[in-house]
Amino acid sequence: DIQMTQSPSSLSASVGDRVMITCRASQSISTYVNWYQLKPGKAPKLLIYAASTLQSGVPSRFSGSGSGTDFTLTISSLQPEDFAVYCCQQSHSSPRTFGQGTKVDIK
Amino acid sequence: QVQLVQSGTEVKRPGASVKVSCKASGYTFTSYVIHWVRQAPGQRLEWMGWINAGLGYTEYSQRLQGRVTFTRDTSASTAYMELSSLRSEDTAVYYCARDVDPNGGTYFIFDYWGQGTLVTVSS
Repeated sequence: DIQMTQSPSSLSASVGDRVMITCRASQSISTYVNWYQLKPGKAPKLLIYAASTLQSGVPSRFSGSGSGTDFTLTISSLQPEDFAVYCCQQSHSSPRTFGQGTKVDIK
Repeated sequence: QVQLVQSGTEVKRPGASVKVSCKASGYTFTSYVIHWVRQAPGQRLEWMGWINAGLGYTEYSQRLQGRVTFTRDTSASTAYMELSSLRSEDTAVYYCARDVDPNGGTYFIFDYWGQGTLVTVSS
């Protein structure tokens, strides 16, 4: 199985901060990485797919980059509604696996 | 708008079975694949498999093969996940999620999710 390792596991940030979350795959997966936002009691939300394509309706402050084994989700200016858990997922090969999540909370 | 609405919380005894439903609206149900994903407490999300809502084809994760069954009712635009021989490790929030491919394929990109169903397995 392809292991997806996120860092950091958690971070504290302020509104307006630039936030970067990384995801490393245990083997090369081209650009087959997707990013999701999770909030308690709510349906998870797709943010970025194919490493860098912004999902329709997602604010442009979210961006993704990377290929091969190293990927990054960037929030350019953190907003109050962005405090959540962020997960990466590889869609390269079965079983499709997820990172352990990065919790972004208020500093 | 696209919505996936799941059934409510379940509490089951070890060895029992559970069936979770996922009712779709706002799109042509039979044109898409539905995936099932779960998250145990403190654990990462785990992909369980998928069902082609139009043709009924399925794929299951090897970890759950033999214990999990996906079905669908096209007349009700509803997908179902049944997990048998429940054990404490199956305690989790179970999600259904739609694949992005409008042609019934599987890109394994999940663009809409249900709200989740908590299944607790406890004696």
